[in-house]
Amino acid sequence: DTGVSQDPRHKITKRGQNVTFRCDPISEHNRLYWYRQTLGQGPEFLTYFQNEAQLEKSRLLSDRFSAERPKGSFSTLEIQRTEQGDSAMYLCASTPPQGRGEKLFFGSGTQLSVL
Amino acid sequence: AQSVTQLDSHVSVSEGTPVLLRCNYSSSYSPSLFWYVQHPNKGLQLLLKYTSAATLVKGINGFEAEFKKSETSFHLTKPSAHMSDAAEYFCVVSDSNTDKLIFGTGTRLQVFP
Repeated sequence: DTGVSQDPRHKITKRGQNVTFRCDPISEHNRLYWYRQTLGQGPEFLTYFQNEAQLEKSRLLSDRFSAERPKGSFSTLEIQRTEQGDSAMYLCASTPPQGRGEKLFFGSGTQLSVL
Repeated sequence: AQSVTQLDSHVSVSEGTPVLLRCNYSSSYSPSLFWYVQHPNKGLQLLLKYTSAATLVKGINGFEAEFKKSETSFHLTKPSAHMSDAAEYFCVVSDSNTDKLIFGTGTRLQVFP
């Protein structure tokens, strides 16, 4: 399967702990996006990369959140000092060069539960 | 800034009856609009897209949507609902500079036998 891969699928952590999620986009997709989806809501944009450059960050992304894409391939999203409000589904998506919204491919997400 | 508003949080229909999921958009220029579907425990899937070509857009699984500039609407329809259509549906607008997708709050479609 050459789709967008996210790891882990589920993460349960205690409040105050740090967590890191990984996203492997489709090969040769140069843009990578992170979204967060809470229960009953649509996905909310967090940040996106073009190759290794982080070009935009949402105001939702507090200083406890950091995302990287060091080699322009996979990306990581780290949340430090987790809070219960961070519990959500974290979605990753990628798109090829010159892609438009129809070319956005989503992974199955990482479900985070903060106890 | 672009945005979309989904007018119904829940829609219930009987199998075999028509489906209408409503969406209004706000954009300062001609938008790119999409409908995505999310089945339980599955990833988001593109149903259809509008990108300033034909105003009536056909998608997968018998769904279609009509772009109406005068009404700033992009409603999703299907002539006959199937049980497998039960899912969450999102109306989405794309930022033309970044390809960032801006999602509506979603409409949960229930289909009764």
